[in-house]
Amino acid sequence: DVKVTQSSRYLVKRTGEKVFLECVQDMDHENMFWYRQDPGLGLRLIYFSYDVKMKEKGDIPEGYSVSREKKERFSLILESASTNQTSMYLCASSDPDEQFFGPGTRLTVL
Amino acid sequence: AQSVSQHNHHVILSEAASLELGCNYSYGGTVNLFWYVQYPGQHLQLLLKYFSGDPLVKGIKGFEAEFIKSKFSFNLRKPSVQWSDTAEYFCAVNAENYGGSQGNLIFGKGTKLSVKP
Repeated sequence: DVKVTQSSRYLVKRTGEKVFLECVQDMDHENMFWYRQDPGLGLRLIYFSYDVKMKEKGDIPEGYSVSREKKERFSLILESASTNQTSMYLCASSDPDEQFFGPGTRLTVL
Repeated sequence: AQSVSQHNHHVILSEAASLELGCNYSYGGTVNLFWYVQYPGQHLQLLLKYFSGDPLVKGIKGFEAEFIKSKFSFNLRKPSVQWSDTAEYFCAVNAENYGGSQGNLIFGKGTKLSVKP
């Protein structure tokens, strides 16, 4: 079974802090994704990566950056967290047919 | 820009009722279509997918979906829902060449289904 794990299920940070969200997949997938999920807005793509050290902006990249130093790991970085980044963050990896999701990290920025 | 529309935000049904959730997409070329489900407290998982062939696709837990190309639709159906189907359902499209990356999906905003016992 494909497994996508995320470093934390719940995270509480203060405004202005630098926040790292980690995602690891164990199926040697080339493609990895970061989404945020908000009620009534569905999933919105923040960034994706199709290879090590490669990254592409999604629909809402502002305020975020990413890092992919190893194939299995894709990190989302909030350089200076703000309250409007309070959300559920979902990581996914994919083969050509399907995306596989992690359990999500619920981030609260106070 | 490509988009996916799900017509209902929240659907409430009694057990044994039939279900149909609407999904329309805006891309005119070749598409791959998906329905994902998120049960309370769980992560998103694939219900079913359509790539080509028979436009009526069967998925897990008795769900099916029909691709109607002329209507740009991929509606999800189940003849008789159960309380355990209470979840949020997301339609998604992978439009070829979108974003330059294989596997990149565009999601609808989701439909919450509540099934009363």
